[in-house]
Amino acid sequence: IAGITQAPTSQILAAGRRMTLRCTQDMRHNAMYWYRQDLGLGLRLIHYSNTAGTTGKGEVPDGYSVSRANTDDFPLTLASAVPSQTSVYFCASSPDAGIGTEAFFGQGTRLTVV
Amino acid sequence: GENVEQHPSTLSVQEGDSAVIKCTYSDSASNYFPWYKQELGKRPQLIIDIRSNVGEKKDQRIAVTLNKTAKHFSLHITETQPEDSAVYFCAANLGTYKYIFGTGTRLKVLA
Repeated sequence: IAGITQAPTSQILAAGRRMTLRCTQDMRHNAMYWYRQDLGLGLRLIHYSNTAGTTGKGEVPDGYSVSRANTDDFPLTLASAVPSQTSVYFCASSPDAGIGTEAFFGQGTRLTVV
Repeated sequence: GENVEQHPSTLSVQEGDSAVIKCTYSDSASNYFPWYKQELGKRPQLIIDIRSNVGEKKDQRIAVTLNKTAKHFSLHITETQPEDSAVYFCAANLGTYKYIFGTGTRLKVLA
């Protein structure tokens, strides 16, 4: 079934540890995004990529890095996790953000940093 | 900076009444305005969208209106039903390759 998949679905992580959240889509979408969702703050953009090989910073990029080696995968890395990064993380993709198209979301990753 | 403001943060309506959620955006280059519905514990899903060359769009009980001059757009849900209870997010692609979302509206439809 075509779609966008995130892993893991949930994780408890010790502060200071490194963690990579995985995101894979099989829809051949050019654009991919990472958001964090916190109560009362909605969905905030962390990083985005409009095509393989390019990435850009969103609203809250500090403490996070991404890479886009190919069309399908867009991993998000926390180099040294801190408790304020406790959140629900959503990966999304869209055919072409430049012209405005629907974004499809993964099921989310619930991350707790202790 | 670039942002999308959404109001109200919570909204309670009686079943059968209408609900209206409003958003404003900052970047006049924005050209696409989607609305997403997120049920508890699930992923956001698109329910309706509108492009900058259109003033209004309707799909059964939901409609979206856009005022480009004022830089605001609204979601209208008529004849609300309990299954409409969810969090609703507006968004705008701010003229660049990224979507910015509003902070969400928790809609409760009271039976």
